[in-house]
Amino acid sequence: AQKVTQAQTEISVVEKEDVTLDCVYETRDTTYYLFWYKQPPSGELVFLIRRNSFDEQNEISGRYSWNFQKSTSSFNFTITASQVVDSAVYFCALSYPRGQKPKLIFGTGTRLQVFP
Amino acid sequence: DSGVTQTPKHLITATGQRVTLRCSPRSGDLSVYWYQQSLDQGLQFLIQYYNGEERAKGNILERFSAQQFPDLHSELNLSSLELGDSALYFCASSVGGNQETQYFGPGTRLLVL
Repeated sequence: AQKVTQAQTEISVVEKEDVTLDCVYETRDTTYYLFWYKQPPSGELVFLIRRNSFDEQNEISGRYSWNFQKSTSSFNFTITASQVVDSAVYFCALSYPRGQKPKLIFGTGTRLQVFP
Repeated sequence: DSGVTQTPKHLITATGQRVTLRCSPRSGDLSVYWYQQSLDQGLQFLIQYYNGEERAKGNILERFSAQQFPDLHSELNLSSLELGDSALYFCASSVGGNQETQYFGPGTRLLVL
């Protein structure tokens, strides 16, 4: 069965610390996509990244970086030099292959609190 | 701003009532998805429409229904509301119907009293 596990329910850090949010997924399919979304206190869901199962290159976008490892079925997210504005709930998600449903399977989220 | 709009932002109603949530997708997107976010169930996929046709169904209750209109906006109808239906309902849209990035609207917060 397809599943996304975010074992860290809540993480607290002090500003400027680096923090890594873990995501482990399960799927029998060889073709899939992984996503990260951010949900700030205002409630909306903000898209951060999409990665397909054939591309294991790490990605960096500013202070954000993602480490995709198929061997361990993990897609971890690191924030470097965290800021108070990074405080949010972060969701990892897995998409089903074509023709199957539902479309996005979300993990339970990790609440990140960054203190000044 | 994702470009997906949802109205209303907040909705308070009573048990047994019926409400309609509205969503306008990003310009050019043909697919609309509905999700429910509750404390006990997390984020759950409800239903997807693609260019006016139902494409996929998730954990949507029979009391809930949706449709997508010719102008591609979508409505989610919730009827015979129960306390447990209180949740944040998100609409998302994507260009096509398969594995593209879904962009989410701000959500409608429903409170059933």
